[in-house]
Amino acid sequence: GQQLNQSPQSMFIQEGEDVSMNCTSSSIFNTWLWYKQDPGEGPVLLIALYKAGELTSNGRLTAQFGITRKDSFLNISASIPSDVGIYFCAGHDRGSTLGRLYFGRGTQLTVWP
Amino acid sequence: GAGVSQSPRYKVAKRGQDVALRCDPISGHVSLFWYQQALGQGPEFLTYFQNEAQLDKSGLPSDRFFAERPEGSVSTLKIQRTQQEDSAVYLCASSLGTGGTEAFFGQGTRLTVV
Repeated sequence: GQQLNQSPQSMFIQEGEDVSMNCTSSSIFNTWLWYKQDPGEGPVLLIALYKAGELTSNGRLTAQFGITRKDSFLNISASIPSDVGIYFCAGHDRGSTLGRLYFGRGTQLTVWP
Repeated sequence: GAGVSQSPRYKVAKRGQDVALRCDPISGHVSLFWYQQALGQGPEFLTYFQNEAQLDKSGLPSDRFFAERPEGSVSTLKIQRTQQEDSAVYLCASSLGTGGTEAFFGQGTRLTVV
């Protein structure tokens, strides 16, 4: 199956700092997505990327679809306490079940006030 | 409803019991997915429905796991003779089209097998 390596596993930052996390895969994806999951909740979609090289922003969040189609990164600028949570990358392989996603293991983000 | 609804939110089962987990997708969504999320891990695919047709069940870990969506709306994931390793959060997701990459997730059902 597809292997997604997400790093770092956890981050501890101060409010106002910028954050960067990334994800690499063992094979090509045609879609990359970034989700945030709060405790006791399901993942919530933050950003979807559909083309290699695509750079997309959603407020303070920016994500890029790598040129090789095997990687993606997510940046969060000027972090605030409500950014705390687990961030997951997910990829979709055109050759797989329509819509089936492969997830990374997540990056746990802690923001100190 | 406004979002994907799952019930129950929490379920404690004794080893060997059967459990049934329910998912109400967003109205009109064609695609429905079940994922299993173990503690400290990302969600892992279990099965996929397009309307009432189960098109992929390759992620179901054993024949004790069974899912259905008889009328193309509500779905039920059934686990027979539960084992401790079945303890996890079970997430349901739905999407409007068949491409389904922008899936909306429910809150999940946390299953604990004791």
